[in-house]
Amino acid sequence: GENVEQHPSTLSVQEGDSAVIKCTYSDSASNYFPWYKQELGKRPQLIIDIRSNVGEKKDQRIAVTLNKTAKHFSLHITETQPEDSAVYFCAAGDGGSQGNLIFGKGTKLSVKP
Amino acid sequence: EPEVTQTPSHQVTQMGQEVILRCVPISNHLYFYWYRQILGQKVEFLVSFYNNEISEKSEIFDDQFSVERPDGSNFTLKIRSTKLEDSAMYFCASSVYRGLNEQFFGPGTRLTVL
Repeated sequence: GENVEQHPSTLSVQEGDSAVIKCTYSDSASNYFPWYKQELGKRPQLIIDIRSNVGEKKDQRIAVTLNKTAKHFSLHITETQPEDSAVYFCAAGDGGSQGNLIFGKGTKLSVKP
Repeated sequence: EPEVTQTPSHQVTQMGQEVILRCVPISNHLYFYWYRQILGQKVEFLVSFYNNEISEKSEIFDDQFSVERPDGSNFTLKIRSTKLEDSAMYFCASSVYRGLNEQFFGPGTRLTVL
């Protein structure tokens, strides 16, 4: 089955700096890659997703890149703010199945003012 | 904006007892999921459900677990005989379509097995 590895497990940056979180996946059939942000004690919320027919997607300060050949994808947050502090999870989904997502272990991002 | 809701927010039970966790997916969604998250760990897929039957389940979803959509709105997860290791946050999620579409998560039910 699918396996998703995520690095780093913790990331500390200064406000205004960029943050990059990387994930790799094992199943070449996976074709949907969402990123979820989870604040302490709250539900995971989708912040951006990418499908395998594109290599990059951007939404304001957040961007995701996908390299299907290498089976890895990355989240980039620019101009980080203290409210970006949270745990970020990458996930991979196989569109051919019922869409269950396999999550990475999460990255705890701390943005210091 | 419509949201997935879950009840209760926190459930405490004794080992060996049965628990039922309830979810109300977003009304026009057709695909439903249960995930769990042990404290400090990643979110793990349990089961997906479509058209009143299980579509897929993980190794975690053994005979102690069952799901049901008893009416047009609720989606439940039952654990027949809880174990200590079932203690976790259980998230329900729903999506309009399968596959390449956003799954909306509920706020979760924290299950504590004593």
